[in-house]
Amino acid sequence: QQQVKQSPQSLIVQKGGISIINCAYENTAFDYFPWYQQFPGKGPALLIAIRPDVSEKKEGRFTISFNKSAKQFSLHIMDSQPGDSATYFCAASILSGANNLFFGTGTRLTVIP
Amino acid sequence: KAGVTQTPRYLIKTRGQQVTLSCSPISGHRSVSWYQQTPGQGLQFLFEYFSETQRNKGNFPGRFSGRQFSNSRSEMNVSTLELGDSALYLCASRRGMNTEAFFGQGTRLTVV
Repeated sequence: QQQVKQSPQSLIVQKGGISIINCAYENTAFDYFPWYQQFPGKGPALLIAIRPDVSEKKEGRFTISFNKSAKQFSLHIMDSQPGDSATYFCAASILSGANNLFFGTGTRLTVIP
Repeated sequence: KAGVTQTPRYLIKTRGQQVTLSCSPISGHRSVSWYQQTPGQGLQFLFEYFSETQRNKGNFPGRFSGRQFSNSRSEMNVSTLELGDSALYLCASRRGMNTEAFFGQGTRLTVV
């Protein structure tokens, strides 16, 4: 059973546009929600992460929005650039517990110049 | 500061053989986790070691095992390889048990 559901599977955005990737979870014990960016041939790189005590976190062009009641969180990439073309994974874990990461299935983002 | 280093980067093995993969975490990091990445199953947790002790284990058969040394370096072993074990094996290191995880570039294992 997929603990974290991610959509869409693929996304094509024009340069300068906003990319939005959504994730949903069921386990209310999750208390840490990171996003990872992965380029072909590379390992996932931590992009940004959020704890459930805040509803939004912004770092540069990347923003996480978190809705605890809906058990959903999303990644917004503002002013998307061709260099942002990669696969993005959302994840969740229980930091105070076993804290292994449960990953979404990934979103392949393509930014068209 | 050096990142997580995994060796080898690529490996081709025959069904039935065994394989050992190595991971050197970021200096000062004491936790090492292993994940398997496949197109069909995505990223799945294998196990985590902290201070040479396995702290957590995913839902993989006993053919998958690991260990951690006193310098925090970790090895993962897969015995009696099956075709379905072909995957990218990723190692992640953390400073502590409840801190951010940083991944290496992975070892691409192909079983033929």
